[in-house]
Amino acid sequence: DIQMTQSPSSLSASVGDRVTITCRASQSISSYLNWYQQRPGKAPRLLIYDATSLESGVPSRFGGSGSGTDFTLTISGLQPEDFATYYCQHSYSTPQAFGQGTKVEIK
Amino acid sequence: EVQLVQSGAEVKKPGESLKISCKGSGYSFTNYWIGWVRQMPGKGLEWMGIINPGDSDTKYSPSFQGQVTVSVDKSVSTAYLQWSSLKASDSAMYYCARVERVTKYYYKGMDVWGQGTTVTVSS
Repeated sequence: DIQMTQSPSSLSASVGDRVTITCRASQSISSYLNWYQQRPGKAPRLLIYDATSLESGVPSRFGGSGSGTDFTLTISGLQPEDFATYYCQHSYSTPQAFGQGTKVEIK
Repeated sequence: EVQLVQSGAEVKKPGESLKISCKGSGYSFTNYWIGWVRQMPGKGLEWMGIINPGDSDTKYSPSFQGQVTVSVDKSVSTAYLQWSSLKASDSAMYYCARVERVTKYYYKGMDVWGQGTTVTVSS
């Protein structure tokens, strides 16, 4: 089974900062990589699919890159509502593992 | 509006059985798979399995195979997650989500989520 490893596990940032979260797959998953945001007490929300495609309704400050085994989620200009936990997930075949999450906290 | 609505919170005792539900509306239910995700208190997301409402084809994570059963009743656009004998370690939030299968090996992301069902197992 394919394992997903995210880094860092948490980070502190200020409003307006550029934030980068990385995700590594244990084997190549082409571009079959998704990113989710989860705010406390809420269900996850799909942000990015196919590594780089922005889900409808998601602000353009969110961006994804990468292919193969290494992927990145970038938030350009962090907003107060962006303080949350972010997860990557591969969707190449099954089981479709999630990364362990990255908590973005206010500095 | 496309939505998945899950059944309410459950409080059970160890050894009891349980079946929770996830009802889809606002889209063609059989055109998308339904996935289940566990989140234990204060922990991350764990992919449990997915089911095709069209033919009930089901795929499980090895971690959950044999521990839970995923099923569907397409006549009422509802997917289910069930346990035959609950353990305290099953206490968690469970989410269902919609998944589009594009090819045999490629699925798109989980784009619509239910609100979650909290399961508490305690003696």
